[in-house]
Amino acid sequence: GENVEQHPSTLSVQEGDSAVIKCTYSDSASNYFPWYKQELGKGPQLIIDIRSNVGEKKDQRIAVTLNKTAKHFSLHITETQPEDSAVYFCAASSPGNQFYFGTGTSLTVIP
Amino acid sequence: EAGVTQFPSHSVIEKGQTVTLRCDPISGHDNLYWYRRVMGKEIKFLLHFVKESKQDESGMPNNRFLAERTGGTYSTLKVQPAELEDSGVYFCASSQDLLAGAYNEQFFGPGTRLTVL
Repeated sequence: GENVEQHPSTLSVQEGDSAVIKCTYSDSASNYFPWYKQELGKGPQLIIDIRSNVGEKKDQRIAVTLNKTAKHFSLHITETQPEDSAVYFCAASSPGNQFYFGTGTSLTVIP
Repeated sequence: EAGVTQFPSHSVIEKGQTVTLRCDPISGHDNLYWYRRVMGKEIKFLLHFVKESKQDESGMPNNRFLAERTGGTYSTLKVQPAELEDSGVYFCASSQDLLAGAYNEQFFGPGTRLTVL
């Protein structure tokens, strides 16, 4: 089955700096890669996703890149703000199959 | 529109006892998923309902876990008897009808934190 690895497990950045979280996957059949943000006391919420026919996708301060050859994808948050502090999860999936999640990254943005 | 709700938010039980977790998906969502996260580890898939049918239950740990979705609305996940390793946060998620080859966003509930002592 699929194996998703996520790094780092914790990340602290100064407000205004950028944050990058990286994930790798093992199954070349995976073609959908969502990113979820979990704030304290809440469930994970989808913030951005990318499909394998696209190399990069951007939504305001958030961007995701995908390298299918290397089987890795990354989340980039620019101009970080304190409200970006949360746990972020990457995931990988293929049609009709379950989501495989990474172990999560706890991001702290220091004001 | 109400989101996915889960009950209870926390449950502390002793080893050997029974616990039932409940999930109410977003109205109209045929797909319902159960996940579990053990502290520090990944969010792990347990099973997937389409309406009242189990589409995929490959992630269920063992036969101490029983999931139901009578009538295709809310779902329950029963653990009987509970063991120490069952502790974790149990998430429920729901999504709309899946188009062939497509993905629909999964909306997660806040989770139930289960502690088995």
